Amino acid sequence: GNSVTQMEGPVTLSEEAFLTINCTYTATGYPSLFWYVQYPGEGLQLLLKATKADDKGSNKGFEATYRKETTSFHLEKGSVQVSDSAVYFCALRGTGTASKLTFGTGTRLQVTL
Amino acid sequence: EAGVTQSPTHLIKTRGQQVTLRCSPISGHTSVYWYQQALGLGLQFLLWYDEGEERNRGNFPPRFSGRQFPNYSSELNVNALELEDSALYLCASSLGSNQPQHFGDGTRLSIL
Repeated sequence: GNSVTQMEGPVTLSEEAFLTINCTYTATGYPSLFWYVQYPGEGLQLLLKATKADDKGSNKGFEATYRKETTSFHLEKGSVQVSDSAVYFCALRGTGTASKLTFGTGTRLQVTL
Repeated sequence: EAGVTQSPTHLIKTRGQQVTLRCSPISGHTSVYWYQQALGLGLQFLLWYDEGEERNRGNFPPRFSGRQFPNYSSELNVNALELEDSALYLCASSLGSNQPQHFGDGTRLSIL
């Protein structure tokens, strides 16, 4: 079946540091890949997506590239802010009619001044 | 544009009771999904409804059920509540099965 593996957290960074959160996946065919962010007490917000190999999703300074050869979709940001502190989830949606999202376990990011 | 709305925001029940959670999708979205976010278990897919029909179901017992109404809103029903059902229940909607899912803020269910 489909699965998503994320790096363990928490990740603690100083403001303006470079962020990488690793995500790898296992799936048949050509899944779509997503990053969601969850702020405390809230639901998930779609951060970015990529639907085919070599696509780069980007939003709010965050980027991730769909790498089929390494089955990865790592999240990066060049300069984090305190307001980026949240839990980040990598997810995939498989091909076919299942339509459900399979999530990684989430990575908590804490950014300090 | 209003996002996905869920009600209630918090709920406290006791073991054996029944609960109904409600979800209104983004206007124009026909697909509704339910997920459970339990401590230590991550986000687990529960149910998918599209055009009023149940299209897919996750690995949950039959006491978890739901439905989708003609206006595309949805209910999640949980019978015979157990302590392990304590979780944040998230609803998401999408324009179609191949479109991104947009989530509500969830209903936090606590079982005493």
